[in-house]
Amino acid sequence: NAGVMQNPRHLVRRRGQEARLRCSPMKGHSHVYWYRQLPEEGLKFMVYLQKENIIDESGMPKERFSAEFPKEGPSILRIQQVVRGDSAAYFCASSPPASRRANQPQHFGDGTRLSIL
Amino acid sequence: QKEVEQNSGPLSVPEGAIASLNCTYSDRGSQSFFWYRQYSGKSPELIMFIYSNGDKEDGRFTAQLNKASQYVSLLIRDSQPSDSATYLCAVNLYNTDKLIFGTGTRLQVFP
Repeated sequence: NAGVMQNPRHLVRRRGQEARLRCSPMKGHSHVYWYRQLPEEGLKFMVYLQKENIIDESGMPKERFSAEFPKEGPSILRIQQVVRGDSAAYFCASSPPASRRANQPQHFGDGTRLSIL
Repeated sequence: QKEVEQNSGPLSVPEGAIASLNCTYSDRGSQSFFWYRQYSGKSPELIMFIYSNGDKEDGRFTAQLNKASQYVSLLIRDSQPSDSATYLCAVNLYNTDKLIFGTGTRLQVFP
């Protein structure tokens, strides 16, 4: 499967626990984006990363949220001390490097549905 | 004013008709424009993208862009019940990579 891979598909956490969401980009894509979709709302940009670099984190909440995209392995979106309001669908998208991006927009993974009890 | 605005719908059209979905955006620096389809509980699926003024056709879908009016639309010809979904409009601002999404228009195609 050459698509964007996210896991887990569903994640249940209790308030105060940590949630880790993983994303592996499409083959050949080096840019990863995280978006959050609250129930009945549109997608909101959170963060944009390249390998070992955070390029734009203007959409990330100031506290409890962090993201990384290490040299090896998937991108991780980490939410510490989760609260009920964190319940949402979290989508990852990827795109190729800018030099090859003209006709290759962002493609999304299947998402992780996070539920906070 | 929201950065990307869409009528939430639902837009109801009969099978075989043309469905017209509209989107306006506020930033004249917007550079690229995208239409995604999202079925309930599923991920967004890219339908069309357009960068230049005018029309772009792909099968039953036509994207139309008018930068002077800050308006982008999606036409779906010969609508099918399987086209029933939420259609999300998204834009890229110049020199950024993040997508700004509208809240989506729910399309219902009835037999």
